[in-house]
Amino acid sequence: GDSVTQMEGPVTLSEEACLTINCTYTATGYPSLFWYVQYPGEGLQLLLKATKADDKGSNKGFEATYRKETTSFHLEKGSVQVSDSAVYFCALRFYTGNQFYFGTGTSLTVIP
Amino acid sequence: EAQVTQNPRYLITVTGKKLTVTCSQNMNHEYMSWYRQDPGLGLRQIYYSMNVEVTDKGDVPEGYKVSRKEKRNFPLILESPSPNQTSLYFCASSLRGAWTKNIQYFGAGTRLSVL
Repeated sequence: GDSVTQMEGPVTLSEEACLTINCTYTATGYPSLFWYVQYPGEGLQLLLKATKADDKGSNKGFEATYRKETTSFHLEKGSVQVSDSAVYFCALRFYTGNQFYFGTGTSLTVIP
Repeated sequence: EAQVTQNPRYLITVTGKKLTVTCSQNMNHEYMSWYRQDPGLGLRQIYYSMNVEVTDKGDVPEGYKVSRKEKRNFPLILESPSPNQTSLYFCASSLRGAWTKNIQYFGAGTRLSVL
């Protein structure tokens, strides 16, 4: 079935370190891909998205490229800040479908 | 301000006592959805609604009911809650579109404990 697999956390990094959170998907069609972020005590917020192969989503210094050949959508940031500490969710949704599929989430803590 | 509002934010109840968690959005969105978030399982979709009077099961609908009588409201009903429904619940909404690039807007969450 359709699913999203994220790297397990928690991830702890020092400020200004590089971040990569891996996300791969299994899908029978061509989904849109999303990264959502959840700050402590809050609901999820869209961080970035990509709707077709080779699209690159970017926001707040984060980037992710839709790789159809490897069915991946890894989240990257070159220099993390303490304020990036949150849980990050990879998700997919099909053009013609009505369901969202989320990964299990990856907790990131950035220490000064 | 565009928002999705859930109530209550925190709820402790006992097994078998019916409860309703309300969800309301002010963005005129057609699509609304309920999720539960559990450690190690991420978000799982319970029910969703494409429009008024149109609802469908998600991945984990057992033990839940929903209704969509008005566009802005999408309550989640637990007729007879059980301890395995202890979880963090999120309501979300988005615009509808067949070729969807839709963004979902999430509420702040309802933390439910069933004793």
